[in-house]
Amino acid sequence: RKEVEQDPGPFNVPEGATVAFNCTYSNSASQSFFWYRQDCRKEPKLLMSVYSSGNEDGRFTAQLNRASQYISLLIRDSKLSDSATYLCVVNEERTGFQKLVFGTGTRLLVSP
Amino acid sequence: DAGITQSPRHKVTETGTPVTLRCHQTENHRYMYWYRQDPGHGLRLIHYSYGVKDTDKGEVSDGYSVSRSKTEDFLLTLESATSSQTSVYFCAISNYYGYTFGSGTRLTVV
Repeated sequence: RKEVEQDPGPFNVPEGATVAFNCTYSNSASQSFFWYRQDCRKEPKLLMSVYSSGNEDGRFTAQLNRASQYISLLIRDSKLSDSATYLCVVNEERTGFQKLVFGTGTRLLVSP
Repeated sequence: DAGITQSPRHKVTETGTPVTLRCHQTENHRYMYWYRQDPGHGLRLIHYSYGVKDTDKGEVSDGYSVSRSKTEDFLLTLESATSSQTSVYFCAISNYYGYTFGSGTRLTVV
């Protein structure tokens, strides 16, 4: 079983749609969680951190369910510019060192 | 911006030759990482460094070595390149906000 699992997609949605991605992780001791965005042939970039209480940044909402070991990302009012691959990332944190484990990503395609 | 640059950006090399990739950062970050990214596998950790001359192996370290003689530079060496090492290589630093990645090196071994 992979440490971090995501549906690879692609998710094809029209502009303005709401889309949600889920991700599951296997290490119950994982400490922190993130969503990264990666555009084609570019480096991953941090989209947002994920907190137990849930957090929102504009059109993006991230939630964490520790009991079920899954993380979600909700994108409202999708824009063409949201087309990218979204990486679910888990930090198997050790003292003074971050060991990030990456999912393989979920591809999102937003069409006009 | 963490000021991370990778060089070269693209490289084609022959099987059996040694190859060195360079990662340079300008903000004195302690932790640096080398990842490779392949279709279906996502990003996988090759080696990491927690200080000058302090390095350790990641999950896919076979065939790779690293060196960090200065805080700002983290070098990844393929001792004898193989076709299975054709990949995109990313360097990263970590800080309170997470990871910041370099732009990547696209390596092709023929």
